[in-house]
Amino acid sequence: SQQGEEDPQALSIQEGENATMNCSYKTSINNLQWYRQNSGRGLVHLILIRSNEREKHSGRLRVTLDTSKKSSSLLITASRAADTASYFCATPRTNAGGTSYGKLTFGQGTILTVHP
Amino acid sequence: EAQVTQNPRYLITVTGKKLTVTCSQNMNHEYMSWYRQDPGLGLRQIYYSMNVEVTDKGDVPEGYKVSRKEKRNFPLILESPSPNQTSLYFCASSSQRLASGANVLTFGAGSRLTVL
Repeated sequence: SQQGEEDPQALSIQEGENATMNCSYKTSINNLQWYRQNSGRGLVHLILIRSNEREKHSGRLRVTLDTSKKSSSLLITASRAADTASYFCATPRTNAGGTSYGKLTFGQGTILTVHP
Repeated sequence: EAQVTQNPRYLITVTGKKLTVTCSQNMNHEYMSWYRQDPGLGLRQIYYSMNVEVTDKGDVPEGYKVSRKEKRNFPLILESPSPNQTSLYFCASSSQRLASGANVLTFGAGSRLTVL
């Protein structure tokens, strides 16, 4: 199964509301990333949080990481119709030494729809 | 403009007819990777390359080949395509930072392949 799994699979909200998406993973990580994908297009990197960080902000995005629960959340505040997209978390595979060996694993994504 | 360029963007082909999807990046990135995206399965890694002449299998390498003869190019080869390789393919690259393990990907726009 996937290393990262997002929840919910789909989320529908009104413009101005906050959107929260969750990601769970299975193995130890040294960082976790969130990406956005507009329909049928390439993914775009949003934010990276390292394993020694608990929270990170970027504009209207807030990401938290709980390594004890192996979970992360992405909060989009004051959502806009333009935020409609799929959101993916991604985690690197690491060996015992903690070095990424190039295998960045994506979850199945959360489809966010923001209604005007 | 810094980008990852994939070609073709759309292709319909028939079973058994060899094809190559090209990928080129202009950011001098060491790391490149191929993913396929299928409904309900998310993104799955096919192959990746840590540098010139260094390639390794991802999670779903069967039926695919890659080569990395130059730093900027990482073509995906389907020697004998089959209908189960109908998918949306993405190439991505990164300036690998092994010490931190951070591997932020820049994605191409995608190549939609249909095998009849």
